[in-house]
Amino acid sequence: GQQVMQIPQYQHVQEGEDFTTYCNSSTTLSNIQWYKQRPGGHPVFLIQLVKSGEVKKQKRLTFQFGEAKKNSSLHITATQTTDVGTYFCAGSNSGYALNFGKGTSLLVTP
Amino acid sequence: NAGVTQTPKFQVLKTGQSMTLQCAQDMNHEYMSWYRQDPGMGLRLIHYSVGAGITDQGEVPNGYNVSRSTTEDFPLRLLSAAPSQTSVYFCASRTVGFGGYTFGSGTRLTVV
Repeated sequence: GQQVMQIPQYQHVQEGEDFTTYCNSSTTLSNIQWYKQRPGGHPVFLIQLVKSGEVKKQKRLTFQFGEAKKNSSLHITATQTTDVGTYFCAGSNSGYALNFGKGTSLLVTP
Repeated sequence: NAGVTQTPKFQVLKTGQSMTLQCAQDMNHEYMSWYRQDPGMGLRLIHYSVGAGITDQGEVPNGYNVSRSTTEDFPLRLLSAAPSQTSVYFCASRTVGFGGYTFGSGTRLTVV
């Protein structure tokens, strides 16, 4: 079945440093989504990428979808303490079931 | 507009007991899913539904049943609870077509 792998599992940065998490799928995806989960909270939808090579930005966050639609990345520029949480990618090749990666936990030290 | 509502928020069960985790959404979303979250394992799909009367299995369906008699409700039933089912359970919904899921606040289940 489809598997979505995410690296790194953990990342600890100083406030102001950049952060990147990577997502790879064993199969071609119809779309990929990114979610953020704060400690003790529930996942919150950030963005969806659909097109091959797509790049989207949300303020300091940049999301990319690979040309082959099998990988994606999330890059945060100049991290802030409010960026703390776990970032998940989730892929689908059917449009129905969404399979999540294991997430990257980001810790930001002031 | 309450979004996705899950009840209860916390539950302790004894091994072998059965229970139903409730999930309701008021956004008229067609798609609904149940996930479990365990430390280091991410979110794993249990069951999902693309509309009333239609359900399908996800990655980890064993020990769980679902039904979807209405668009709004998607209960998850544990038939005979086991300690391996200790987890945080999230229900999520979204509309047809591409779009992000809205998650409920979760149910923290402990099976002793």
